[in-house]
Amino acid sequence: AQSVSQHNHHVILSEAASLELGCNYSYGGTVNLFWYVQYPGQHLQLLLKYFSGDPLVKGIKGFEAEFIKSKFSFNLRKPSVQWSDTAEYFCAVRTNRDDKIIFGKGTRLHILP
Amino acid sequence: DVKVTQSSRYLVKRTGEKVFLECVQDMDHENMFWYRQDPGLGLRLIYFSYDVKMKEKGDIPEGYSVSREKKERFSLILESASTNQTSMYLCASSLGGLGENTEAFFGQGTRLTVV
Repeated sequence: AQSVSQHNHHVILSEAASLELGCNYSYGGTVNLFWYVQYPGQHLQLLLKYFSGDPLVKGIKGFEAEFIKSKFSFNLRKPSVQWSDTAEYFCAVRTNRDDKIIFGKGTRLHILP
Repeated sequence: DVKVTQSSRYLVKRTGEKVFLECVQDMDHENMFWYRQDPGLGLRLIYFSYDVKMKEKGDIPEGYSVSREKKERFSLILESASTNQTSMYLCASSLGGLGENTEAFFGQGTRLTVV
């Protein structure tokens, strides 16, 4: 069965630092990839997605992610974080095998003001 | 905007009770999902439905069942609630297949406490 690994469970950064959150998936076929964000007390919302074409995708709030097929990775990046980026971030994968959407365990990001 | 609505934000139930969690979506999506979210464990898929009356087990189906009698509605049933089912339950819907607009849209969640 397909799975998603997020390597960092808890990340603490200062404002203006650069961010990279790792995500790897286990499936050799065609995939759609997603990053979701959950701000404290709020529901999950889509940050960005990859479905085809340019492997570098840009999302909301200055986030971007790069799909590297050879590494089965879809890492999330932001050049300069803000205090308001404090949230939990989830990577997810959907494959051409079935329509399930499988999530990683999440990364808690805490930005120090 | 896609709207996924879960019938309750908070529920408290007793051990052994039969519990129904309801979810409705208004975008004619083929797929609907039930996840549970626990700290440190992320979102784990309980059940998934790709059409009316069609369902597939996710990673943690034990102790749960589902019902999808209408396209817009997907119910999660805890046959006999137990304390280890205390959790946040999230419903989601999406279009079918792979492509540009196939992300999942989530409801606000139901926090279930079993005492």
